[in-house]
Formats: sequence, C-alpha cells, structure tokens
Amino acid sequence: SQTIHQWPATLVQPVGSPLSLECTVEGTSNPNLYWYRQAAGRGLQLLFYSVGIGQISSEVPQNLSASRPQDRQFILSSKKLLLSDSGFYLCAVRGGLLAQETQYFGPGTRLLVL
Amino acid sequence: EDKVVQSPLSLVVHEGDTVTLNCSYEVTNFRSLLWYKQEKKAPTFLFMLTSSGIEKKSGRLSSILDKKELSSILNITATQTGDSAIYLCAPNLYSGAGSYQLTFGKGTKLSVIP
Repeated sequence: SQTIHQWPATLVQPVGSPLSLECTVEGTSNPNLYWYRQAAGRGLQLLFYSVGIGQISSEVPQNLSASRPQDRQFILSSKKLLLSDSGFYLCAVRGGLLAQETQYFGPGTRLLVL
Repeated sequence: EDKVVQSPLSLVVHEGDTVTLNCSYEVTNFRSLLWYKQEKKAPTFLFMLTSSGIEKKSGRLSSILDKKELSSILNITATQTGDSAIYLCAPNLYSGAGSYQLTFGKGTKLSVIP
C-alpha cells in the first residue's frame, strides 16, 4: 500500500520569506501526485498536479510553484510568501490499479505566514 | 466553471441521531463522486460512487449517487462523538490522458454532542 510523507508538519514563516514543502511517496511507482491548499473557511483547492518527473500542471495562478525532481518526490515552493499563503497544504497520490479514481492524502503541512 | 455545493454547512446533533448530508454538483467530464472525512488532520477516504442508485455501505455510514439529479447523500445512523468531523464531497472529473481531478465542496461540519 502507498504511504505519503510530508514535512515539515507545521511551519511559521514571515511574509516575503521563501518556502519549500516536500512530499514523498512509498509503495508505488510513477504515481500521479497532487498539491492542495485548504485555507480557513474554504474548501480544498487543487494547486498543482503531476503525472511524471518534470511534468507539472498548474490549476491556479499564484506565487507558488511545484517541481517533481524524482518519481516519488513532489515539492511545493515559493520565492516570497504572502499572508494569503497561510493554510493547510496537502499532498495526495492517486490510487493504484484498482483505485485509479481515488486520491489518498498525506498528513499535511500547516503553514502560518505572519 | 465547476461547482460543488454541500449542505448544510454545519450541523449539531446528539449521539444516537441519524443525519443526512447533501452534495450537489455541476461539473464537466464527471466520472465518479468521492466522500472524505476530515478530522483535525488530512481527509480520509470513505466512499467512491460511480453508478446511480447503488448504495455503498460501511458500518453506520452509507452513501448513494443520483446522476439524474446531480447529487449524492451521505447518511450516518446512530451517530457517535467520533463521527464529529468535516465531511467532504468531491466529484471526480476526467482531465484527459488517463488523469482525474477532484473538485471539492466546502464540506459539512458535523458536531455530535453526548
């Protein structure tokens, strides 16, 4: 079965500072990976998804970017954080052969931008 | 633009009550609908519904999809305090090349009091 790791678990950063959140997946190869953000009072918003190394699709224009340097590694970055970037960031992986339409979530990173 | 509406937004019930949570959607390239439960952490998968009128059941939870009405309901019978959570509905949309994307509603916050 798949296991998703995310770090850090929590992060407090000043406005204007850079950001790097990491997601790694075990137990699968060539997974479809997703980054979501859940802001206070809002639903889960898809930010990026990736179907393979170096392949990133962006869903929402913003000051965030994503990269996939390795098959099971997905990174979310920013050069300069905004207050509005605060939220709960979740990495998800698409299910295996028998659950291709299901996504499973990692433990998430809570980011507070001050 | 894809739209997912969940109702009610919040609900407070007593232990032992039965609750029905609603989800309606207006989306393109619909493939299936997923329900998740989110406590103070990442969402956990509950059900995936692909066919109209076929109930999926897991313990005290059950769910059904109505493709004609573009809606789904999640029922919880004999509620317990451990059912307190945000319940998220997410239509699964086919985005081409074997990829799927979830579009989440804002969720229903269920509080079960003893």
